[in-house]
Amino acid sequence: DAKTTQPPSMDCAEGRAANLPCNHSTISGNEYVYWYRQIHSQGPQYIIHGLKNNETNEMASLIITEDRKSSTLILPHATLRDTAVYYCIVRVGNTGTASKLTFGTGTRLQVTL
Amino acid sequence: GAGVSQSPSNKVTEKGKDVELRCDPISGHTALYWYRQSLGQGLEFLIYFQGNSAPDKSGLPSDRFSAERTGGSVSTLTIQRTQQEDSAVYLCASSPTVLSNQPQHFGDGTRLSIL
Repeated sequence: DAKTTQPPSMDCAEGRAANLPCNHSTISGNEYVYWYRQIHSQGPQYIIHGLKNNETNEMASLIITEDRKSSTLILPHATLRDTAVYYCIVRVGNTGTASKLTFGTGTRLQVTL
Repeated sequence: GAGVSQSPSNKVTEKGKDVELRCDPISGHTALYWYRQSLGQGLEFLIYFQGNSAPDKSGLPSDRFSAERTGGSVSTLTIQRTQQEDSAVYLCASSPTVLSNQPQHFGDGTRLSIL
C-alpha cells in the first residue's frame, strides 16, 4: 500500500472548518483514500473514502487532487467532540482477497473554544 | 442500528492463562477482521474472515493465537498461554464484503492486560 504523510498535530477553533491534509504521492491508480478517526479509548471510526472524485457525507468532505497525490479532509463546522487523531489511509484496490487497513501516526486535531 | 460489538471490554488475566475474545459483527457483514493496538502503536493486522474461512492467517503473531468464526457471524480470538507482550487492545471490524470500496467498521475493542 502507498505511504501517507500527515502533519502530527493541528488546532482548530470550534465552529470553524478543519482542513486536514494528507500526502500520498506514490498512490496507484486502483488505491482508495480512506479517512478514519480515533477518539481516546474508542475504536477507529470510519469517516469517508474516495477513489478519484471528491466525496461528501454527513460527517465530512474529501477533496482529492486531480493527480491523486494528495487529499484534504474537511470538517465543515468543527466541534469539541471532533477532537481526535485522524488517519489518512491508502488502501489497495480489489485483488480478490481482503486488504487490511494500515494506520500511520495520523494527525492529532485539537478543537478549542 | 447495532454496530460491531466486542466482549469483554476489559480483561485482566495472569501470564500463562488462556483467553477468549469475542466479536459480534454488524448483521449481514460477511467480512470480519481482527487487529491489535499496543500502547502508543498503530494497528497491527492479525487475521480476516470471508464467511467462515480465514484465507490469510499470516498476521497472527505466533501459534498461541487462533481464531474461528461460525455461522458466518460471531468470531472468537483465542490466545493460549498468554504472555505479557500480548497486552494490547484487540479490535474487531466488519464490512459487507472484502471489496476495498467498502469501509471496515470497528468495535471499541477488548483491552487485554496480562499480569
